[in-house]
Amino acid sequence: GAVVSQHPSWVICKSGTSVKIECRSLDFQATTMFWYRQFPKQSLMLMATSNEGSKATYEQGVEKDKFLINHASLTLSTLTVTSAHPEDSSFYICSASRVAGQGFGSPLHFGNGTRLTVT
Amino acid sequence: KQEVTQIPAALSVPEGENLVLNCSFTDSAIYNLQWFRQDPGKGLTSLLLIQSSQREQTSGRLNASLDKSSGRSTLYIAASQPGDSATYLCAAPYSGGGADGLTFGKGTHLIIQP
Repeated sequence: GAVVSQHPSWVICKSGTSVKIECRSLDFQATTMFWYRQFPKQSLMLMATSNEGSKATYEQGVEKDKFLINHASLTLSTLTVTSAHPEDSSFYICSASRVAGQGFGSPLHFGNGTRLTVT
Repeated sequence: KQEVTQIPAALSVPEGENLVLNCSFTDSAIYNLQWFRQDPGKGLTSLLLIQSSQREQTSGRLNASLDKSSGRSTLYIAASQPGDSATYLCAAPYSGGGADGLTFGKGTHLIIQP
């Protein structure tokens, strides 16, 4: 079945540094990938929609200059947390759809997530 | 804006019991609805996807129903096992029917006692 690989699975960084998280679709092409964030005991919240070859669409309240998204190929999207601060510590998860758009009824496949801790 | 609510927030039952997890959503103009399982500190595993034209989907001991008109879905787990212990998430399309991401409920934290 379809597999989405996310790397790294966990990362600890110092405040002020930048961290890059990769999301790869291993056996299918994903024109659209999604990035979510989950704080402890909270639901997953959509941060942004990553479109291959174009700019990402950010949800309200998500700083596009802080969370840089690059979707340079049909199998790879990256999320870079710039100048990370302790409040950015969270669980970040990406997902991808096998076809263009959830509206076509294709299930979204999720990566295993990245646990980011900013000290 | 789509909002998803799950009840109960937590549930602890003895092994072998049948149980029902509830999910409600505010925007019924959805193409489908998904149920996921999340183990502690882990990503998501897709359990069932129900298309808007369907009323239910089954996979093994799991059965999910969808009632778009009332904005509700249920996940039925038969003959529960300790390995079923996890958080179960219900998710509906973010904008209520487009090719967008998902809006998740906060989940039901399920514990099956051996």
